[in-house]
Amino acid sequence: DADVTQTPRNRITKTGKRIMLECSQTKGHDRMYWYRQDPGLGLRLIYYSFDVKDINKGEISDGYSVSRQAQAKFSLSLESAIPNQTALYFCATHRGAKEKLFFGSGTQLSVL
Amino acid sequence: AQSVSQHNHHVILSEAASLELGCNYSYGGTVNLFWYVQYPGQHLQLLLKYFSGDPLVKGIKGFEAEFIKSKFSFNLRKPSVQWSDTAEYFCAVIYTGGGNKLTFGTGTQLKVEL
Repeated sequence: DADVTQTPRNRITKTGKRIMLECSQTKGHDRMYWYRQDPGLGLRLIYYSFDVKDINKGEISDGYSVSRQAQAKFSLSLESAIPNQTALYFCATHRGAKEKLFFGSGTQLSVL
Repeated sequence: AQSVSQHNHHVILSEAASLELGCNYSYGGTVNLFWYVQYPGQHLQLLLKYFSGDPLVKGIKGFEAEFIKSKFSFNLRKPSVQWSDTAEYFCAVIYTGGGNKLTFGTGTQLKVEL
């Protein structure tokens, strides 16, 4: 089983729909992140959480919200999807600031 | 603002050529630095990291990077690239005094030609 599991792997939706992307990890790490990847823009941080009661905005949080339901689960929601949210979304986790990130396989989201 | 800059967006090299990819960060405090690689169709993998000690860091697959504090740089190098090194390379930084979140650069797409 993968250390970090994202669901769904692919999603096509329409403008205005509410979408939730889910992430779960089996590493027992406290730190979890949501990034989106766009060609030429690298990975941009949407939200991050350092424990269950800690939620922080990243550089591009507008239009997104998150929920840290448990140490192992960190979900990302698009309240009302718009086409420029079409991107590849990655969840990641690590143990601490000196440790490598473990990534999920990504969710390719297309908003029509 | 805390940021990471990768100045080379696309690099094309022939096999056996030497590689150097630039990475600069904007903050003068304590940083942890990383290089990740993303092969086509895969997610990111860690190549190497630096947080203290010897500023010349060796990673996997023959890659190394040098931390130069005075230049706020952490450039990635490889003496002789292979076709299999074709991938996208990301520099990343954690500013330990500034939120401890991991910030990525925009990436450098490397293509190695036979």
